[in-house]
Amino acid sequence: AQSVTQPDARVTVSEGASLQLRCKYSYSGTPYLFWYVQYPRQGLQLLLKYYSGDPVVQGVNGFEAEFSKSNSSFHLRKASVHWSDSAVYFCVLRANNNAGAKLTFGGGTRLTVRP
Amino acid sequence: AQTIHQWPVAEIKAVGSPLSLGCTIKGKSSPNLYWYWQATGGTLQQLFYSITVGQVESVVQLNLSASRPKDDQFILSTEKLLLSHSGFYLCAWSGAQDTQYFGPGTRLLVL
Repeated sequence: AQSVTQPDARVTVSEGASLQLRCKYSYSGTPYLFWYVQYPRQGLQLLLKYYSGDPVVQGVNGFEAEFSKSNSSFHLRKASVHWSDSAVYFCVLRANNNAGAKLTFGGGTRLTVRP
Repeated sequence: AQTIHQWPVAEIKAVGSPLSLGCTIKGKSSPNLYWYWQATGGTLQQLFYSITVGQVESVVQLNLSASRPKDDQFILSTEKLLLSHSGFYLCAWSGAQDTQYFGPGTRLLVL
C-alpha cells in the first residue's frame, strides 16, 4: 500500500518570502510524483511532475520540487511567493504506470500569503 | 488543445433524490477518464476510472455508479442520494500512462 503525508495542514508566509511545502511518501516501488494546486472553488491544476532523472523538477509559475529517494520526500519550493499563490497544494503519488493507476493524495496544505 | 467540461456547475438536491453528473473531454481521442470526490476542506478520493467506452472500474464504493456511453463522455450517477454524498466532484482525463488533468468540478449539496 502507498501513502502520502503533508505534515503541514496550513502555512502562512509573507509576500516575497521563500516557501517550502513538505511531502513525504511511502511506497516500496518507483513512485511517480506530482504537485497540484487548487484555487478556491476550482478544480486542480498541475504544477509539476517527477517520473525519473534529475531529482529537481521545474514547474509553472516559478515552482520547483526535489525528489529524494533516501528521505522518501518530494518537497515543493518557491523562491519568492506572490499573494496569488494562496491556494491548497496537494502532493500526489501514482504507484505505477498502468492506465487507471490510482492516485494517492496527501491531505493538502493550505497556503496563505500575506500582502 | 484538450478541454474538459463538467456539468452542472453546482447542484442542491434532496436526500433520496436521483443524481446525474456529466463530464466531456474534447480534443483527445480515447482518453482514460476518472471520477474523484472531495469532501469539503478535504483531500481527493478516486471513485471510478475508465479506459474505454462501456468499461468502468470501481475504486471506492460510495453508493454511486459510473458509465461511459461515449468515448468523450463520463457520467456519475445514483438513484438515491445520501447526505454523505455532499462535496466536490472532479472529473479527470489522461492519455495512456500519463498525467491526469482535472476538470473544473461540480459542487453538490445534499439536504
